[in-house]
Amino acid sequence: EPEVTQTPSHQVTQMGQEVILRCVPISNHLYFYWYRQILGQKVEFLVSFYNNEISEKSEIFDDQFSVERPDGSNFTLKIRSTKLEDSAMYFCASRDQGSVAKNIQYFGAGTRLSVL
Amino acid sequence: AQSVSQHNHHVILSEAASLELGCNYSYGGTVNLFWYVQYPGQHLQLLLKYFSGDPLVKGIKGFEAEFIKSKFSFNLRKPSVQWSDTAEYFCAVNPYGNNRLAFGKGNQVVVIP
Repeated sequence: EPEVTQTPSHQVTQMGQEVILRCVPISNHLYFYWYRQILGQKVEFLVSFYNNEISEKSEIFDDQFSVERPDGSNFTLKIRSTKLEDSAMYFCASRDQGSVAKNIQYFGAGTRLSVL
Repeated sequence: AQSVSQHNHHVILSEAASLELGCNYSYGGTVNLFWYVQYPGQHLQLLLKYFSGDPLVKGIKGFEAEFIKSKFSFNLRKPSVQWSDTAEYFCAVNPYGNNRLAFGKGNQVVVIP
């Protein structure tokens, strides 16, 4: 079964540093998403991406965050200057171009980001 | 505020016991409903989904869920759990036509052999 792949599984960084989290969505999928889960809290939507542009973003997704699809396979989330409160599990998801009414998203295993 | 609620964050039970996890949401209008499961170290995996039709849906690994519109609920059940069902279970709601999924806090389920 095709899977969404995320690397690395665990990223440790110093406050103020830039990090890039990487995702390889399922190959024929066209919609891509990032979510995050702070320890003990809910999984929260960050951003959705379609046709090489952001289609929707949450209030969490401020100027410190950016997403990119640099080639035909990768989908990245960049945090420019990490803060302690960015420590969380970050999940990538993708879905195909099926009906928007049936929004079935497939998730990766997540990247645990620890900001020290 | 619109939200998804899952109670009893930590559930511990013995093999062969029955499992029921509650999910309530506060979105009005038509919604798509999902249960995802995350086994240790693995990706979030779709257990089952509800779009329309029969409110009792069957998913993988013997799980089922019932949509009760009047109660805004989508509870997950399994009659007899196994040790391999140890995982975290997430309920997610997608308002019709909306891009994002809204998740509950999750239920950490531990099945003791």
